[in-house]
Amino acid sequence: NAGVTQTPKFRVLKTGQSMTLLCAQDMNHEYMYWYRQDPGMGLRLIHYSVGEGTTAKGEVPDGYNVSRLKKQNFLLGLESAAPSQTSVYFCASSYSGQGEAEQYFGPGTRLTVT
Amino acid sequence: AQKITQTQPGMFVQEKEAVTLDCTYDTSDPSYGLFWYKQPSSGEMIFLIYQGSYDQQNATEGRYSLNFQKARKSANLVISASQLGDSAMYFCAMRGDSSYKLIFGSGTRLLVRP
Repeated sequence: NAGVTQTPKFRVLKTGQSMTLLCAQDMNHEYMYWYRQDPGMGLRLIHYSVGEGTTAKGEVPDGYNVSRLKKQNFLLGLESAAPSQTSVYFCASSYSGQGEAEQYFGPGTRLTVT
Repeated sequence: AQKITQTQPGMFVQEKEAVTLDCTYDTSDPSYGLFWYKQPSSGEMIFLIYQGSYDQQNATEGRYSLNFQKARKSANLVISASQLGDSAMYFCAMRGDSSYKLIFGSGTRLLVRP
């Protein structure tokens, strides 16, 4: 099992450009999440999904959109990138959103917006 | 609102000694879970240990144990017999049972000295 994978691993964008980050999991998990991690800070939730076809906003959703068309995939889009979106992005998944269900994380995507 | 506080930005420990990483939390949920994750310099997030708010005993996983003091709202991670490979960032996180969201603290950087 590959677990949670993220594509790409690194990306540099110019201000105003758009891009999509792809997250895939092969554990048949219902719940998927997108986080960002900035220097000296913990992870902050951007958007999440509790099942195929559903999405919801997290703590810091502005400037991002997401889609969950297939259970195994969760896409994060930046329509018009800004330097403030320079960060490391992590995708995660879990079988449940409650109790002891741990979240399994992907390796991260380092995004730089110039 | 939920909040996690980690007051130790950085800590040192001598190899083979025990170390305690502090975590305090705040939540209005009567039922919640507490998690610890390790982030080595390679960047991935590794789940270490979970404690449920109604668990009678403190959680243990190998060299990791969680010192859970519900009345004080603290969930400190204890690492026994530290190893050089324990050098990493450590994040405390919480999820209330009324929410699917995992809230992270700002982390503690642990350095194990030989």
